[in-house]
Amino acid sequence: DSGVTQTPKHLITATGQRVTLRCSPRSGDLSVYWYQQSLDQGLQFLIQYYNGEERAKGNILERFSAQQFPDLHSELNLSSLELGDSALYFCASSARTGSESYNEQFFGPGTRLTVL
Amino acid sequence: AQSVTQPDIHITVSEGASLELRCNYSYGATPYLFWYVQSPGQGLQLLLKYFSGDTLVQGIKGFEAEFKRSQSSFNLRKPSVHWSDAAEYFCALNTNAGKSTFGDGTTLTVKP
Repeated sequence: DSGVTQTPKHLITATGQRVTLRCSPRSGDLSVYWYQQSLDQGLQFLIQYYNGEERAKGNILERFSAQQFPDLHSELNLSSLELGDSALYFCASSARTGSESYNEQFFGPGTRLTVL
Repeated sequence: AQSVTQPDIHITVSEGASLELRCNYSYGATPYLFWYVQSPGQGLQLLLKYFSGDTLVQGIKGFEAEFKRSQSSFNLRKPSVHWSDAAEYFCALNTNAGKSTFGDGTTLTVKP
């Protein structure tokens, strides 16, 4: 158990819909990362938040957005869903102290999104 | 832009045999390098990391990796593979700006 929790575990929805994925980082971790893992794209870094502010951006679509709240939990919002958005979405946390570039990331169990 | 390449999509080894998984990176500054393992249906777990100092780093489960700056490589090794090592392995690079890049992963199959 990494200490990172993600809800829901599974999500099935239809094209065009909007969903919200939630992540609670390890106690004390300030950074939250979001990843998308699909068979054809592999593990793609989407976005990172550090203490409530966006810090790094990866291959995140404009239809997707994220935020980190004062209590450090994070939400990933996916809108206008397409079939190709079906994937496993991971959240990870890191950075209890100092610079986090060399800190390991602790991954949650993921949310499996299926878009029908 | 940084990149991570894992040249081997799938590797099969016999139990008890040695293992080497390759990882090559491209980045203009000093990289922070990681190896993670993912078992089916699970999140990723850190095996080991390198950011400075001794270029041979030891990790959990008997794994080690060697950083070779001249070859831009960070290969993962294990002297004797166990059936429980069957999983997918990811090499990753963090930049100073906090951006993470993962390789496409190598799936390890262990033959009895």
